[in-house]
Amino acid sequence: SQTIHQWPATLVQPVGSPLSLECTVEGTSNPNLYWYRQAAGRGLQLLFYSVGIGQISSEVPQNLSASRPQDRQFILSSKKLLLSDSGFYLCAWSIGASYEKLFFGSGTQLSVL
Amino acid sequence: ILNVEQSPQSLHVQEGDSTNFTCSFPSSNFYALHWYRWETAKSPEALFVMTLNGDEKKKGRISATLNTKEGYSYLYIKGSQPEDSATYLCASLNYGGSQGNLIFGKGTKLSVKP
Repeated sequence: SQTIHQWPATLVQPVGSPLSLECTVEGTSNPNLYWYRQAAGRGLQLLFYSVGIGQISSEVPQNLSASRPQDRQFILSSKKLLLSDSGFYLCAWSIGASYEKLFFGSGTQLSVL
Repeated sequence: ILNVEQSPQSLHVQEGDSTNFTCSFPSSNFYALHWYRWETAKSPEALFVMTLNGDEKKKGRISATLNTKEGYSYLYIKGSQPEDSATYLCASLNYGGSQGNLIFGKGTKLSVKP
């Protein structure tokens, strides 16, 4: 069966520090991969999605970046965190077309102080 | 800017009550509507994906309807149980956006008291 792993679960980082969140999927091949963020009082917002290795699409201009070095690995990064980067980050995967349901990871609560 | 609205924002019901909530989404260039259940300390879990006007889907005591012409979907829970307590999210996928860009509402938080 397919599983998705996301870590760390919580993270407290100072402003200006770098960020690296990792997500891996097991039990499937060539998944679509997604990074979502939920800021306080807002709905889930798509940050990045990827349909294949090295293929990244960004939905929202920001100081974050994403990479997909392997088929089932998706990494969210920042060189310098801002206060506004605080939020709950969710990785997700799906198979096939974008109307297919998403399978979410357990999330990372990021607090930038 | 596409907007998905959910109401009510929160809901408190007694065990055994039936309840429903609403998701409003852009009707133009509609492609698909998703419903997810998000329990505290767990990952969001897909309930339904609906694409056709008039679709009705059911999973146990939970069902959903879809009206793509007027841009709304209802989620119904029959005989609510404490384990139904969660935030229910809907998300709309419309043509013209990026392939992967589901637009999520803020959710309806349901609390079921025993």
